[in-house]
Amino acid sequence: EPEVTQTPSHQVTQMGQEVILRCVPISNHLYFYWYRQILGQKVEFLVSFYNNEISEKSEIFDDQFSVERPDGSNFTLKIRSTKLEDSAMYFCASSEQGLNEQFFGPGTRLTVL
Amino acid sequence: KQEVTQIPAALSVPEGENLVLNCSFTDSAIYNLQWFRQDPGKGLTSLLLIQSSQREQTSGRLNASLDKSSGRSTLYIAASQPGDSATYLCAVGRSNAGNMLTFGGGTRLMVKP
Repeated sequence: EPEVTQTPSHQVTQMGQEVILRCVPISNHLYFYWYRQILGQKVEFLVSFYNNEISEKSEIFDDQFSVERPDGSNFTLKIRSTKLEDSAMYFCASSEQGLNEQFFGPGTRLTVL
Repeated sequence: KQEVTQIPAALSVPEGENLVLNCSFTDSAIYNLQWFRQDPGKGLTSLLLIQSSQREQTSGRLNASLDKSSGRSTLYIAASQPGDSATYLCAVGRSNAGNMLTFGGGTRLMVKP
């Protein structure tokens, strides 16, 4: 069964460093999403992406965040200058159409020291 | 702003019991509602998607209902098993192209053998 994959599973970085989280959505899906979950808190929406542009973003998704679909299979989230409060589990998701069921990847645990 | 609440936060039941998990949301202008299962330290597994025009969806021992006008959904699990132990999350999708999901805090379920 097709699934969303994410790499790495765990990333440790120093405050102020740039990180890139990678995702491979399900191949025939057209909509891509990033969510995050800070330990012990709710899952929060960051951004949705369709047709090579951002379709919606939350207040969390400020100028230090960016997303890109660099090729036909990968979808990336870049955090330019990480802060301690960016430590969280980051989930990528995809859906066939914008209003269809979203399928989530296993997540990347980001730890900022 | 949409708020999603899940009650109870935690539930412990003996194996074989039928149980109901509750989800409420404040803004009834939703497009769909999705139930997920999350195992500790893992990603989100989609269980059921209900479109706003539907009243319920069934998958195996799971049945989810939606009452959009009252802002409520329930997830019914029949004949619970220890393998059902996990956190169950509901998420509502908003009526626009991005379909960001707003998540509840989850119900942590433990099914005792």
